[in-house]
Amino acid sequence: DSGVTQTPKHLITATGQRVTLRCSPRSGDLSVYWYQQSLDQGLQFLIQYYNGEERAKGNILERFSAQQFPDLHSELNLSSLELGDSALYFCASSVDGTGSGEQFFGPGTRLTVL
Amino acid sequence: QKEVEQDPGPLSVPEGAIVSLNCTYSNSAFQYFMWYRQYSRKGPELLMYTYSSGNKEDGRFTAQVDKSSKYISLFIRDSQPSDSATYLCAMIRNSGNTPLVFGKGTRLSVIA
Repeated sequence: DSGVTQTPKHLITATGQRVTLRCSPRSGDLSVYWYQQSLDQGLQFLIQYYNGEERAKGNILERFSAQQFPDLHSELNLSSLELGDSALYFCASSVDGTGSGEQFFGPGTRLTVL
Repeated sequence: QKEVEQDPGPLSVPEGAIVSLNCTYSNSAFQYFMWYRQYSRKGPELLMYTYSSGNKEDGRFTAQVDKSSKYISLFIRDSQPSDSATYLCAMIRNSGNTPLVFGKGTRLSVIA
């Protein structure tokens, strides 16, 4: 158990809908990272927050947004969902914001868009 | 060309075999190199973390980095069925706001 929690574990929704994925980092970790994992693309970095501020951005679509709250939990919002958004979404956390430190991954949210 | 290339396998070996997993990369700016293990339906967990070139050993696992060839390896000695998982290499350019770049992962099965 990494200490990172993610909810929900599974999400099934329809195209065009909007969903919110939630992540709680390990106690003491200030950075939260979001990743998307699909069979064809592998694990892709989406976005990083450090202590409430956006720190780095990867291949995140404009339909997706995220934020980190004062209690350090983070939410990833996915809107106007398409079939291709079906994937595993992982959250990871680390102590520092440099990205070079160890990242601890949560169990993931499996999103299925029908 | 993708930044990080990794053979997806699957790789199937008998119990007790030495396993060699590899990644190549194209960007010479990568400085930190990692190997993650991911069991089915779980999140990746960090196995090995190395900085720049050289070897690092931890129990049955040895990580090697050859920056001149842009090639990294993970060796697993005395492989066990519990080692059956997907192994992902990952690397980062330098400290400061640069994201981890992952290989697609190699699926390993160790047969008892």
